[in-house]
Amino acid sequence: GALVYQYPRRTICKSGTSMRMECQAVGFQATSVAWYRQSPQKTFELIALSTVNSAIKYEQNFTQEKFPISHPNLSFSSMTVLNAYLEDRGLYLCGARTPGLGYEQYFGPGTRLTVL
Amino acid sequence: GDSVTQTEGQVALSEEDFLTIHCNYSASGYPALFWYVQYPGEGPQFLFRASRDKEKGSSRGFEATYNKETTSFHLQKASVQESDSAVYYCALGGTNAYKVIFGKGTHLHVLP
Repeated sequence: GALVYQYPRRTICKSGTSMRMECQAVGFQATSVAWYRQSPQKTFELIALSTVNSAIKYEQNFTQEKFPISHPNLSFSSMTVLNAYLEDRGLYLCGARTPGLGYEQYFGPGTRLTVL
Repeated sequence: GDSVTQTEGQVALSEEDFLTIHCNYSASGYPALFWYVQYPGEGPQFLFRASRDKEKGSSRGFEATYNKETTSFHLQKASVQESDSAVYYCALGGTNAYKVIFGKGTHLHVLP
């Protein structure tokens, strides 16, 4: 089956510091990876979409300078939250997709970021 | 732009009750439609999809039928269990097929 792992599951960082999170697709090749943030007040905020052979596309209010993403191969992606502040708190989800499994995204358990 | 609307923020039922969670969408063409379920402390799990008008998706006793006329994809289950308590998200594959757009979610509470 299609499995997506995310690491770490939880992390705490001091305000103004940065942290990196990883996403691993197992059992399929992730031709596209979407990073979302889920907070109690909002549903899924799409941060950026990374598709093989295309530039990473960031949504409005999210930038590469703040959330740099690496998608070096079809099974791995990472995202860093640079200079984190309170408003960056939330559950960061990685959704991976491959055409052979339809249009849906398969999600990892998320990385919960707490900023002190 | 494309969007998904779930009218119920919370639904409370007793075990063996019939469940309906409403989902309406706005998009051009025939977007793929999905239901996801999210349990506390976990990421959303894919339940099922439907890709064309009148197609029924189903999984684990849940089902929904793609209705282009009413632009709806309502989730139903004949008899809910306490273990079905979770947040349910309706979603669509946008006109950019790589982008998935989620509704705000419906929190289902099933009382024993």
